[in-house]
Amino acid sequence: DAGVIQSPRHEVTEMGQEVTLRCKPISGHDYLFWYRQTMMRGLELLIYFNNNVPIDDSGMPEDRFSAKMPNASFSTLKIQPSEPRDSAVYFCASSLDRVGGSGNTIYFGEGSWLTVV
Amino acid sequence: LAKTTQPISMDSYEGQEVNITCSHNNIATNDYITWYQQFPSQGPRFIIQGYKTKVTNEVASLFIPADRKSSTLSLPRVSLSDTAVYYCLVGGLSGGYNKLIFGAGTRLAVHP
Repeated sequence: DAGVIQSPRHEVTEMGQEVTLRCKPISGHDYLFWYRQTMMRGLELLIYFNNNVPIDDSGMPEDRFSAKMPNASFSTLKIQPSEPRDSAVYFCASSLDRVGGSGNTIYFGEGSWLTVV
Repeated sequence: LAKTTQPISMDSYEGQEVNITCSHNNIATNDYITWYQQFPSQGPRFIIQGYKTKVTNEVASLFIPADRKSSTLSLPRVSLSDTAVYYCLVGGLSGGYNKLIFGAGTRLAVHP
């Protein structure tokens, strides 16, 4: 199993530019999550999808952030325009079923390290 | 979603047993307790999950008392490579939504 695959692994961009982060969840997983991690705020859940449908986007910081899941094997997180305070590690994760229950766990990708200068 | 409280940091030495306790006083009947481990520059990784009593796998043990208001992750004979942040999470349902919310975690430092 290839696990959750994210790209790019590292990106440095200038303020105002558009950033697109990509994620391929584990095949067969029905849930996909986007998290952001910073030293100050820790791991924050931004949005999650169930069967390609966005269920809860209450963690998305503002309108500059958007996420899509056009099919079961691909999702994007877009920041437009980017700002220095968006610098963080963005993790994509997926799970087979509802998390928290027996045997159901969430699998994380290696993260996309974003620096906005 | 049940709130969890765990120590911010812990220190240990190689070969020692480490116990990290997590409090979750308002755990719901259907909630499971799950622990994740995160190394620098990596995403969190599942360690162990349990509902009650004791669970053991090749990596750790999880002790859950009868009232389930706390749990203890036990790492036997730690090594330098166990230096990481450990997160305790409870349940998955919050306001009807199915999601996992991470707290600050416990930063474990293992010394030679």
